[in-house]
Amino acid sequence: NAGVTQTPKFRVLKTGQSMTLLCAQDMNHEYMYWYRQDPGMGLRLIHYSVGEGTTAKGEVPDGYNVSRLKKQNFLLGLESAAPSQTSVYFCASSARLAGVYEQYFGPGTRLTVT
Amino acid sequence: QKEVEQDPGPLSVPEGAIVSLNCTYSNSAFQYFMWYRQYSRKGPELLMYTYSSGNKEDGRFTAQVDKSSKYISLFIRDSQPSDSATYLCAMSPPGSGGSNYKLTFGKGTLLTVNP
Repeated sequence: NAGVTQTPKFRVLKTGQSMTLLCAQDMNHEYMYWYRQDPGMGLRLIHYSVGEGTTAKGEVPDGYNVSRLKKQNFLLGLESAAPSQTSVYFCASSARLAGVYEQYFGPGTRLTVT
Repeated sequence: QKEVEQDPGPLSVPEGAIVSLNCTYSNSAFQYFMWYRQYSRKGPELLMYTYSSGNKEDGRFTAQVDKSSKYISLFIRDSQPSDSATYLCAMSPPGSGGSNYKLTFGKGTLLTVNP
């Protein structure tokens, strides 16, 4: 099992460019999440999905869009990148086990917007 | 007031010390309490979790929950340099009627254990 994988690992964008971050999981989890992590801010939820074909807004959704066309994949899009979107992005997936949803995280994507 | 407060540190201790990491929270609906460990430039990974109040021990790690005080702790005994990481607390409400598939995270405490 690869667990949760993220592509790419690093990326540098110019302001106004667009890009898509890909998250894939091979654990057959129903729930998937996108977070951003910034110094002093902790992990903040951008968008999440409770199943194939569903998406919902998290704490900081502005400037991002997501899609979950297949159960194993969750895509995060930046249509017009801004320097404020410079961050480390983590994808996670979870399933319910004994009442608790353990979230499994990917290795992260480091994005710099200049 | 933030839902979850966690002292960001940094915390630096000598090898073998007992480490105490803490979080406070304001939402009395939280029932699941978790501790994640994040090594530098890696994703967080679940260390342990507890349900409702009480203690849970796993090797050198002990998690405590005091719901009356809305306070949780993670103790690390005989700390090792390999324990150097950022520790994040996370919480969620119960499943029935609550969306406990979403976690509320603390900001994390950076711990360094010096050999």
